[in-house]
Amino acid sequence: QKEVEQNSGPLSVPEGAIASLNCTYSDRVSQSFFWYRQYSGKSPELIMSIYSNGDKEDGRFTAQLNKASQYVSLLIRDSQPSDSATYLCAVSRTGGFKTIFGAGTRLFVKA
Amino acid sequence: DADVTQTPRNRITKTGKRIMLECSQTKGHDRMYWYRQDPGLGLRLIYYSFDVKDINKGEISDGYSVSRQAQAKFSLSLESAIPNQTALYFCATSASMASGRAINTGELFFGEGSRLTVL
Repeated sequence: QKEVEQNSGPLSVPEGAIASLNCTYSDRVSQSFFWYRQYSGKSPELIMSIYSNGDKEDGRFTAQLNKASQYVSLLIRDSQPSDSATYLCAVSRTGGFKTIFGAGTRLFVKA
Repeated sequence: DADVTQTPRNRITKTGKRIMLECSQTKGHDRMYWYRQDPGLGLRLIYYSFDVKDINKGEISDGYSVSRQAQAKFSLSLESAIPNQTALYFCATSASMASGRAINTGELFFGEGSRLTVL
């Protein structure tokens, strides 16, 4: 079992729709959870971090965390073609010790 | 200019050659990391350093070594490159302190990447 699992996709959604990206993790002591966006040929860029159960909203992005289910998700509302990228879920214990990444989900937003 | 700079950006080399990838940062972060990225495998941690005197192995350190020359500089060496080290390498930084307070958010800031091909 991988430590951080994501559906590799590709996930295809029409412009203006909600894109839902999911991630599960195996380390129950994980405390910090992140979503990074990576455009093709570019470096990962942090878009959301979440540390406690529940929802965290930032513009069109909402991160959701459920530690009991060991599940993290990212919702992108009003998806735009510019959101087309690979989204990496990342998990670490307190203090950013050894952040572990999922393999990423490719998202395509069709105009 | 990028806050986290990697050199070289692209390198093609032959099996058995020694290669060094360099990383420098202007973010003032104390923690630095080297990751490699392979298709379908995501980012895997090679080495990390929490300060100049602290070096730690990650999950795939075999065949690699690192040097933390200063707080702002962290280099990765392949002593004798082999073809399965062909990958995209990323340096990253994070901060454990901000304004005198411990933050330890774990948020990573990546360099632009170094694409290495070993023939």
